[in-house]
Amino acid sequence: DAKTTQPTSMDCAEGRAANLPCNHSTISGNEYVYWYRQIHSQGPQYIIHGLKNNETNEMASLIITEDRKSSTLILPHATLRDTAVYYCIARIYNQGGKLIFGQGTELSVKP
Amino acid sequence: DGGITQSPKYLFRKEGQNVTLSCEQNLNHDAMYWYRQDPGQGLRLIYYSQIVNDFQKGDIAEGYSVSREKKESFPLTVTSAQKNPTAFYLCASSRGGVLETQYFGPGTRLLVL
Repeated sequence: DAKTTQPTSMDCAEGRAANLPCNHSTISGNEYVYWYRQIHSQGPQYIIHGLKNNETNEMASLIITEDRKSSTLILPHATLRDTAVYYCIARIYNQGGKLIFGQGTELSVKP
Repeated sequence: DGGITQSPKYLFRKEGQNVTLSCEQNLNHDAMYWYRQDPGQGLRLIYYSQIVNDFQKGDIAEGYSVSREKKESFPLTVTSAQKNPTAFYLCASSRGGVLETQYFGPGTRLLVL
């Protein structure tokens, strides 16, 4: 299983873009990069995923480097409600495509 | 209103007691999953089911049991054999296919008295 590495915590000013990095240097060619976030004592919320190309949806953008060894999740205009733990996951095929959550990045959006 | 529901939100278990956590989804998803989360930790897979009447063990299945008699329901029983059951339990579902996006319920927090 490809291991992902994320900073333990980050701060972001409200209204600014939040850029959350993730390293996945051992990712294999068929492993997707998924991002979820979890607000305290709630279930994880799906944000976005991608394989090679950059992706954008109504919540965020995902930038994956050409060598696929790292990626960045971008929240374009962070709000206080974006304060959460953000998990970067290299998704594998076995065990029903289980999600392996690491420690994640605790993002604090400050007024 | 479509989604995944888990009940109860909090559950207390006495020593030696079996308890069952409910997970229901009305998304018409084929696959369902149970994960366990310990404080400050990521999620670990307990059991998963990709189709009705079939399920497989995950990484930490010992002390747990499941059933999948209906497509919309995937209850998890925490048996007395699970020696450290205190945790946050999360149910997820997806459309089936190993790389379909999984969507999570709100979770059940189990505490041992």
